[in-house]
Amino acid sequence: NAGVMQNPRHLVRRRGQEARLRCSPMKGHSHVYWYRQLPEEGLKFMVYLQKENIIDESGMPKERFSAEFPKEGPSILRIQQVVRGDSAAYFCASSETATEAFFGQGTRLTVV
Amino acid sequence: DQQVKQNSPSLSVQEGRISILNCDYTNSMFDYFLWYKKYPAEGPTFLISISSIKDKNEDGRFTVFLNKSAKHLSLHIVPSQPGDSAVYFCAARDNTNAGKSTFGDGTTLTVKP
Repeated sequence: NAGVMQNPRHLVRRRGQEARLRCSPMKGHSHVYWYRQLPEEGLKFMVYLQKENIIDESGMPKERFSAEFPKEGPSILRIQQVVRGDSAAYFCASSETATEAFFGQGTRLTVV
Repeated sequence: DQQVKQNSPSLSVQEGRISILNCDYTNSMFDYFLWYKKYPAEGPTFLISISSIKDKNEDGRFTVFLNKSAKHLSLHIVPSQPGDSAVYFCAARDNTNAGKSTFGDGTTLTVKP
């Protein structure tokens, strides 16, 4: 049973470009969470999705950021018109209904 | 307003001794607490958890203590091993949502041989 898979592991984007981060949850998990970790800080919750639904997006910046978890395929975190402050590690986690969430290895986004 | 605080950014202990990592929280709605271990360039790995109805949970060398009245929890590792060197995150959530956790900023543990 493969763990949570995130790709790419490293992503470099120029300011103003779009970044797309993918997350495939563990088999059988229908709940996906995205977190962001800035340098020297803890993980900050961004969004919680179930298949085709956004359940809680209270941690998402109001502009440029969006997330989806389609019926088929991975969850996508999309950042439009990236700025240097978006540089961070983005972690995805998945869970079944009421169990601990399991994290992927993260995508390190660098905006140059 | 940081709801979960780990006031010690780093901790260094000798191999074989006890490591004690501390965590404080402010939100009284939190009723489930977790510790994660994280190596560089990897995702957090779940270590141990405790529900608010308990005050202690033990798993091998790892024990978590919860003092609900003080809104304080601690992770004890005994005996500490060099392989335990990592960043340890305390996290808290209410029990309605498995994945939405509030994390502290982490404590970097170094275990010296």
